[in-house]
Amino acid sequence: DTAVSQTPKYLVTQMGNDKSIKCEQNLGHDTMYWYKQDSKKFLKIMFSYNNKELIINETVPNRFSPKSPDKAHLNLHINSLELGDSAVYFCASSQGITTDTQYFGPGTRLTVL
Amino acid sequence: AQSVSQHNHHVILSEAASLELGCNYSYGGTVNLFWYVQYPGQHLQLLLKYFSGDPLVKGIKGFEAEFIKSKFSFNLRKPSVQWSDTAEYFCAVKGGTALIFGKGTTLSVSS
Repeated sequence: DTAVSQTPKYLVTQMGNDKSIKCEQNLGHDTMYWYKQDSKKFLKIMFSYNNKELIINETVPNRFSPKSPDKAHLNLHINSLELGDSAVYFCASSQGITTDTQYFGPGTRLTVL
Repeated sequence: AQSVSQHNHHVILSEAASLELGCNYSYGGTVNLFWYVQYPGQHLQLLLKYFSGDPLVKGIKGFEAEFIKSKFSFNLRKPSVQWSDTAEYFCAVKGGTALIFGKGTTLSVSS
């Protein structure tokens, strides 16, 4: 059974387009995250939601907008895509905010042409 | 600000060799420490974690790590690596709400 799932797995699009990546977790966790992994494999937190409320918003362009319709979902919408947005985006979830282990989804490889 | 430093960018070993990957962190308070592994083309998986208690932590697949508070270190070890251990290894620290990752170490094991 998939714990944290993301769709799509691959996304290839043109500059200037708007795209969304969906994330769902079936672990019953309260907290969800989005991370970006760049071409050098460096992972950095982008957003975190706890019980549908935004608790972390790192320095991310406002073209990126997370949306959490319920505790089990945290979607990432990106407007006006740029070349530099090409990366692998990972969704993760944890039970709580502070000490709990985070479980990661399989990642979405976004390529902007 | 928190930071995590992984000393080895790329480690190349033969099967059966011993492994130690360095990880140092910078944070003034209580931290939770993690090692994640990313096999080629796959997502991150938790290898092991330290929250409190015994500073020598055992994880999956024969990996272990030792938390040395005085050195702000959490090095990963495995006595005998296998070809299937070829992967990217990430050390991570959580002192607040988010995981702060190191830049990763690529481990290549030749058979």
